[in-house]
Amino acid sequence: KAGVTQTPRYLIKTRGQQVTLSCSPISGHRSVSWYQQTPGQGLQFLFEYFSETQRNKGNFPGRFSGRQFSNSRSEMNVSTLELGDSALYLCASSLGREKLFFGSGTQLSVL
Amino acid sequence: GEDVEQSLFLSVREGDSSVINCTYTDSSSTYLYWYKQEPGAGLQLLTYIFSNMDMKQDQRLTVLLNKKDKHLSLRIADTQTGDSAIYFCAETGTGNQFYFGTGTSLTVIP
Repeated sequence: KAGVTQTPRYLIKTRGQQVTLSCSPISGHRSVSWYQQTPGQGLQFLFEYFSETQRNKGNFPGRFSGRQFSNSRSEMNVSTLELGDSALYLCASSLGREKLFFGSGTQLSVL
Repeated sequence: GEDVEQSLFLSVREGDSSVINCTYTDSSSTYLYWYKQEPGAGLQLLTYIFSNMDMKQDQRLTVLLNKKDKHLSLRIADTQTGDSAIYFCAETGTGNQFYFGTGTSLTVIP
């Protein structure tokens, strides 16, 4: 069974731009969660989608948004990028509300 | 939100046992988890324990749970250089959201 796939692996953007990250969950998993990982703040929860609906949301500004498609694939969008948005963005899928399985992440650098 | 705490660094000699500790706050967590992150990679689920258990053994890994003190530990027997990584404990809190600790960086000295 294929694992969680995130694309792209690396991204370099400049301040003010926007970016879209993609995540394909494990086949059969309907829940997709997104996390931001930085050396200073650790792992911070962004949001969770289940059956195309946002089920849970972390404490991030509205510049961070997401969506989930009918095939459970998810995208995350960050608009008006700031230097502080540089981070590893991790996507995780799960069958229910247990056992998150993570992708390798997208490393975003904002210059 | 929930607060999950871990010590930042641990260094052990190859062949020794490693013990990584974690304290958590939400006593309603159904499961508690240990994840491993190698450089440049995502988090890999290592093991998990149901909250009504005290101990779980899985090959070289032993998880101990003290619910009274809200303390979770991961013991790695016969630690190898390939075990060098960052280890995260996690609990599920309000709304079944996962809360991760700060991570413990394990260095195995040959």
